[in-house]
Amino acid sequence: DGGITQSPKYLFRKEGQNVTLSCEQNLNHDAMYWYRQDPGQGLRLIYYSQIVNDFQKGDIAEGYSVSREKKESFPLTVTSAQKNPTAFYLCASSSGADTQYFGPGTRLTVL
Amino acid sequence: KQEVTQIPAALSVPEGENLVLNCSFTDSAIYNLQWFRQDPGKGLTSLLLIQSSQREQTSGRLNASLDKSSGRSTLYIAASQPGDSATYLCLPGGSNYKLTFGKGTLLTVNP
Repeated sequence: DGGITQSPKYLFRKEGQNVTLSCEQNLNHDAMYWYRQDPGQGLRLIYYSQIVNDFQKGDIAEGYSVSREKKESFPLTVTSAQKNPTAFYLCASSSGADTQYFGPGTRLTVL
Repeated sequence: KQEVTQIPAALSVPEGENLVLNCSFTDSAIYNLQWFRQDPGKGLTSLLLIQSSQREQTSGRLNASLDKSSGRSTLYIAASQPGDSATYLCLPGGSNYKLTFGKGTLLTVNP
C-alpha cells in the first residue's frame, strides 16, 4: 500500500532530552512537510523540503531540526531548546504543489 | 503572508441538513485549494482539490467551489450524516511551499 507512516504513535520526553520523530513515504513524492498542531491553533508549518538534501524553515522552526538524506524519509528532531514541545505532530508529502497526503501523526508529551 | 479564515469555527446540525463551510484567504495568487477532514486524534484526509482554473469540484455528497478573485472557497455537504462529524480544514496552495492552513470548522451532526 502506498502512503505515509509516522512512528511512534505516542512519545514521551523528559525535559532536556532530544527526541526524533520518524516520517516515511513510498509515494515517490519530492516534497515533504512537518506540521505541529495545538488545540485551538490549527496546523503550523515547522519545516518543509522540496527535494532531497534541501529543506527550509517554516513558521515555527525554532527548537526543531530536520534532515532529508533520502527521498522517502524526513525525520524531525525536537531538541531541548524547544520550550513547549507537547503537541500533535503531522508529516505530509506532495508531488510538487499538488495534493498533500498526511500521515497518522505522533503525539508528543513532555513529562 | 497568506492568512486563512474559516467560518464558522464550530457548527452543530441535525442529521439530514445541507450545510456550507466557508474559507477565505488574503493572497489570491494560488494554484489550488484543498479541503481536508480530520477526526479526533487522527491525521488529515484529503477530501477535494480544486485547481485555480476550476470553479468547483464534486465528490459524492461534497461540493467545493472556488472564487479565486474574491479569495473564497465553500464546502457544501448535502444530506449530512453523523459520520460527517469531524473538523474540516482548508489549505490554499501556491508556488511557495510555505503553506498556511485555516484553523478549521468543527462539525457535529446529531442523530
